[in-house]
Amino acid sequence: GAVVSQHPSRVICKSGTSVKIECRSLDFQATTMFWYRQFPKQSLMLMATSNEGSKATYEQGVEKDKFLINHASLTLSTLTVTSAHPEDSSFYICSAQNDRGHSGANVLTFGAGSRLTVL
Amino acid sequence: GEDVEQSLFLSVREGDSSVINCTYTDSSSTYLYWYKQEPGAGLQLLTYIFSNMDMKQDQRLTVLLNKKDKHLSLRIADTQTGDSAIYFCAERNSGYALNFGKGTSLLVTP
Repeated sequence: GAVVSQHPSRVICKSGTSVKIECRSLDFQATTMFWYRQFPKQSLMLMATSNEGSKATYEQGVEKDKFLINHASLTLSTLTVTSAHPEDSSFYICSAQNDRGHSGANVLTFGAGSRLTVL
Repeated sequence: GEDVEQSLFLSVREGDSSVINCTYTDSSSTYLYWYKQEPGAGLQLLTYIFSNMDMKQDQRLTVLLNKKDKHLSLRIADTQTGDSAIYFCAERNSGYALNFGKGTSLLVTP
């Protein structure tokens, strides 16, 4: 089945540094990927839609300069948290749209998530 | 997540059936989904249903959709301890992203 690989799974960084999270679709091409953020015991909040070859579309309230998204190829999207602060600590999950075998259901395949802790 | 509502917690005994309920607000949603999340992991697609269907069954899973009431349910038959997880209901928005509920934490006791 479709697999989305997300790396790193866990990262701890100092306040003020930048952290890059990678999201790869391993056996399918994904022109569209989505980045979500999940706080403890909360739902997933959509941060942005990553479009291959064009600028990402950010949801209201998400700072585009803080959360840089690059989707340079059909299998890779990256999220860079710039000048990280403790309040950025969260679980970040990417997903890629994969229609293969689902007859147009626009099924999203999710990565395993990246736990960011900012000290 | 505010447009999709779920009860937050459900506890069942092993072998019983579990029913997780969800209400959504976007009547134009063409597909509705159920995802499962185990601790510290990403989301695993369990099943989805097209909006013109009333029911879909897949092994131990049965999805019921009441489009008039915008109500979706997931029934897990013969619930096992390995089914303990958080279950998310989701609707697809116009931009093809998914709007999720807050998740229902299912606890299966022996």
